[in-house]
Amino acid sequence: QKEVEQNSGPLSVPEGAIASLNCTYSDRGSQSFFWYRQYSGKSPELIMFIYSNGDKEDGRFTAQLNKASQYVSLLIRDSQPSDSATYLCAVRGTGNQFYFGTGTSLTVIP
Amino acid sequence: NAGVMQNPRHLVRRRGQEARLRCSPMKGHSHVYWYRQLPEEGLKFMVYLQKENIIDESGMPKERFSAEFPKEGPSILRIQQVVRGDSAAYFCASSPTVAIHISYNEQFFGPGTRLTVL
Repeated sequence: QKEVEQNSGPLSVPEGAIASLNCTYSDRGSQSFFWYRQYSGKSPELIMFIYSNGDKEDGRFTAQLNKASQYVSLLIRDSQPSDSATYLCAVRGTGNQFYFGTGTSLTVIP
Repeated sequence: NAGVMQNPRHLVRRRGQEARLRCSPMKGHSHVYWYRQLPEEGLKFMVYLQKENIIDESGMPKERFSAEFPKEGPSILRIQQVVRGDSAAYFCASSPTVAIHISYNEQFFGPGTRLTVL
C-alpha cells in the first residue's frame, strides 16, 4: 500500500468552476499535510499546509483535513487557466519524512 | 533570503561516468531531502539528511548512489557509473528544524537538476 494516494486524473474543469482534488494517506500518526503545485518542467511550490481537522482557507484555496478518515482535499474556487498544473499531496510522517502522492493533473478550460 | 539552490541545472553524462549534484538549503534550514522525478511520474523520496548525518536513506538505491551533507558546504548527491535509467530530474528540498514550531516544517524545493545520460 502506498503511503499517499491521489487520483492521477487528468481532471478538467471549466474556467470559474470549483476544482476538487483528493488525497488519502496510510500513516495514522501523520501530523502535517501539504499541497504543492508543479508546473511542467518546474519544481514543486507550496500552496498550503494544514495540521488540524477541518478547513483552512487561503484566498481561492481551501484545504480540508479529516484525520479519522485519513483524507485530505484541496478545493480551488473560481478556477483560472493559470491553475492548470499537477497538484501534489504530501504528508509528513511520524519519522519526519515527507511522502508524496503521484499528483493529480488539473486542466482549467477557458 | 535566498531560496534553495541547486547546481548544475542541467547535467549531461555518458554511461559509466559520475554525476555530482549539489544543493544549498535555505538559510537557517538544517534538513535536506533529495527526490527523483521521472517524466510523468511523482516525486520519489531518496534520502533525508541533517548536517553530517544521514537520517533516512531508505529510498536510495543500494549501489552507485550516495549522499552527504557536510558541516560546511552544500549537500551532495553522487551517482557513480551512471546508466540511462538514471536520467531524471533530481530535486532537493530543505526545511527548518521541526522543534521550533509545527507550522515551520514545510519543505521548500530547489529548481532541480535535470540529468541526462547518453
